Amino acid sequence: EAGVAQSPRYKIIEKRQSVAFWCNPISGHATLYWYQQILGQGPKLLIQFQNNGVVDDSQLPKDRFSAERLKGVDSTLKIQPAKLEDSAVYLCASSLVGTSPYNEQFFGPGTRLTVL
Amino acid sequence: DAKTTQPPSMDCAEGRAANLPCNHSTISGNEYVYWYRQIHSQGPQYIIHGLKNNETNEMASLIITEDRKSSTLILPHATLRDTAVYYCIVRYNDYKLSFGAGTTVTVRA
Repeated sequence: EAGVAQSPRYKIIEKRQSVAFWCNPISGHATLYWYQQILGQGPKLLIQFQNNGVVDDSQLPKDRFSAERLKGVDSTLKIQPAKLEDSAVYLCASSLVGTSPYNEQFFGPGTRLTVL
Repeated sequence: DAKTTQPPSMDCAEGRAANLPCNHSTISGNEYVYWYRQIHSQGPQYIIHGLKNNETNEMASLIITEDRKSSTLILPHATLRDTAVYYCIVRYNDYKLSFGAGTTVTVRA
């Protein structure tokens, strides 16, 4: 089966610019997650979608970050405007259902963002 | 979520078993122990999970102590491709995976 797809793989921007990342989850997976991974740290959950509804966005910096999953399939994460501290790898993951303990999350390869 | 403590790094010889410890002394009765790993430049990959009993799959074995305050992930025959950061996570039956810094495992030839 095809895995979680993300694009672009790499992005370099100047601070105060905008950037968008795209994720296509595994077919049939209702739950989609965006994580931020700063160098040397584990991934941190930014937002979780169940179909096209937001389940948890408590860790999303809403003054500059936004995410949507309009048709309950693919998703975009946007940063506007970017700050230096946003330099990180942005990981997308998906799972069949979010609330089962047997629920495995499948991760994409990530987008590495560098803000100069 | 309960917190976990893992050693920051460990080395292992190729072909030998790798035993990765994890302490989770504040784990509650309904929290599962999950292990993920992250190979360089890739996203994390699920390995195994368990509640009380020991578990085994094609990748690894998970040994959970009787009091559930610690666990060990065992890679039975480590290969160079097992070099990765290994994350031990305790999780209630919700969606959240709270990743710590993990253990960087280096398998040496």
